[in-house]
Amino acid sequence: GAVVSQHPSRVICKSGTSVKIECRSLDFQATTMFWYRQFPKQSLMLMATSNEGSKATYEQGVEKDKFLINHASLTLSTLTVTSAHPEDSSFYICSARDTGTGGYYGYTFGSGTRLTVV
Amino acid sequence: KNQVEQSPQSLIILEGKNCTLQCNYTVSPFSNLRWYKQDTGRGPVSLTIMTFSENTKSNGRYTATLDADTKQSSLHITASQLSDSASYICVVSEGAAGNKLTFGGGTRVLVKP
Repeated sequence: GAVVSQHPSRVICKSGTSVKIECRSLDFQATTMFWYRQFPKQSLMLMATSNEGSKATYEQGVEKDKFLINHASLTLSTLTVTSAHPEDSSFYICSARDTGTGGYYGYTFGSGTRLTVV
Repeated sequence: KNQVEQSPQSLIILEGKNCTLQCNYTVSPFSNLRWYKQDTGRGPVSLTIMTFSENTKSNGRYTATLDADTKQSSLHITASQLSDSASYICVVSEGAAGNKLTFGGGTRVLVKP
């Protein structure tokens, strides 16, 4: 089955620094990947859609200059949290879309990254 | 506005017992409905995917049902195990291509010995 690897699983950084999170589709090519943010005891909130070879599409209210997304290849998308602040501390999850079967797309999620900004 | 509502928000069950989780949606046009299991601190893992024409689909001890007329789905867990403790998320895909997902708030299940 489709596998998505997300790295790192946990990161602690100082306020004001930047953090990069990688999302890789290991056994399939993904022209489209997604980045989500999840707060405790809440469901996933879509931040942006990452498109290979083009600019990401951000959801309303998400700062594109703070959350930089790069999707330079068919198997890798990165999310960089720039000038991180404590309020950016959260659980970030990526998802990659494959061609799926049965006439609908398959969505495989990474294992998530716990970001703590101190 | 397209919405996916799940109930209950949380439940506690004893190991070995069965339980049923509910999902009601207003997403239109409907493409498919997915159930995911999310362990604490991990990403969601797909359990089932159902299209308009499918009424039920099983994955081991998990059985999902779909009533597209009433826009309701359920996830039944049989003979629960401690490892079933997780959040279960109902996700509905919208549109002909099913490329827009609407997430439910999830149901947190705790299985106690």
